[in-house]
Amino acid sequence: KNEVEQSPQNLTAQEGEFITINCSYSVGISALHWLQQHPGGGIVSLFMLSSGKKKHGRLIATINIQEKHSSLHITASHPRDSAVYICAVTTDKLIFGTGTRLQVFP
Amino acid sequence: ETGVTQTPRHLVMGMTNKKSLKCEQHLGHNAMYWYKQSAKKPLELMFVYNFKEQTENNSVPSRFSPECPNSSHLFLHLHTLQPEDSALYLCASSQRGIHQPQHFGDGTRLSIL
Repeated sequence: KNEVEQSPQNLTAQEGEFITINCSYSVGISALHWLQQHPGGGIVSLFMLSSGKKKHGRLIATINIQEKHSSLHITASHPRDSAVYICAVTTDKLIFGTGTRLQVFP
Repeated sequence: ETGVTQTPRHLVMGMTNKKSLKCEQHLGHNAMYWYKQSAKKPLELMFVYNFKEQTENNSVPSRFSPECPNSSHLFLHLHTLQPEDSALYLCASSQRGIHQPQHFGDGTRLSIL
């Protein structure tokens, strides 16, 4: 079992839908990261958080340290949000989840 | 402009070749990283450099040899690779260490024949 689990593995949505991607981890962490990877391969860091909630545009990330769980929400989804979303946690090293592939159709 | 530039974007090489991947960051960061991304597997951290010193080597085979001549440049020298080494190799940088947000390059897609 991976120390970082993401669900779902694949997600399709219609444009405008509210999307939630989940990340659970089994180790003590100092921070959790959400990353976005587009088909070309490049990765963008979306959020780094250690408690509470962060918002950037249509993206919201939350974390519950007690439950060892984080969610990434996308409001009013758009086809350009189609990408792989990766959760990673920082312990004394970086541990990555396998990613959630999101496709948003017009 | 991602701030982290990797070259080449694509590389095809035979198992007996020697090649190098290059990464350059223009962000004034002090930590640089090499990652391997294989199909359907999580990102794997290979090497970490802090202030030009290697601080992490995650049991990477010796056919991968990193070099960090200064805080802005990172190389990955490749020799006698195996077909299973075919993957996307990503470089990243951060201000200081793994506890800071990382900025990634677009990667080098490596294919071993």
